[in-house]
Amino acid sequence: DAKTTQPNSMESNEEEPVHLPCNHSTISGTDYIHWYRQLPSQGPEYVIHGLTSNVNNRMASLAIAEDRKSSTLILHRATLRDAAVYYCIPLYNFNKFYFGSGTKLNVKP
Amino acid sequence: DTEVTQTPKHLVMGMTNKKSLKCEQHMGHRAMYWYKQKAKKPPELMFVYSYEKLSINESVPSRFSPECPNSSLLNLHLHALQPEDSALYLCASSQDTRGQGRSPLHFGNGTRLTVT
Repeated sequence: DAKTTQPNSMESNEEEPVHLPCNHSTISGTDYIHWYRQLPSQGPEYVIHGLTSNVNNRMASLAIAEDRKSSTLILHRATLRDAAVYYCIPLYNFNKFYFGSGTKLNVKP
Repeated sequence: DTEVTQTPKHLVMGMTNKKSLKCEQHMGHRAMYWYKQKAKKPPELMFVYSYEKLSINESVPSRFSPECPNSSLLNLHLHALQPEDSALYLCASSQDTRGQGRSPLHFGNGTRLTVT
């Protein structure tokens, strides 16, 4: 069975980098890895996605392991507004974006 | 503000009522999604439309009836719901109709439904 694991919660200090891990050991070579986050009372927000190589955008960086069995979302300087639940979603099945339980990130001032 | 607009923001309905949730996007996306999210739980996939045709139904009870009348609009018709159907209903859209994950999902902020 396809399985994605993330820590239930993590804590960071404001203005420090945050590394959010995700294990997806059953991923195939063509499954994209997506990351979304959800703030309270809002819909999920796209953060970043990638396939094989590391990816950067204005919000974050995504580091994908060479064997693709894990990935890490990197927030370079956490702010209080980054406090949210972060979801790692490997696209195991055609068009089926399944959300796991995610990681709740708490950012301390 | 998001580019996916959901109306109404809040809805209270009785178990014998019929109501509809509406989702609209004008990004030219041809894949649209319905999710259900209970409190403190992750979103659960319900339906996926591709080019206005239903492509995925995650064994959702028939009291939920989706409809995609055109490429910009997605409805969810509700009938004879139960109190346990109370949840946040989220709509999303994507450019990626092949479902390969090349493009991200864009979510609305949802309709909070209460069934009494």
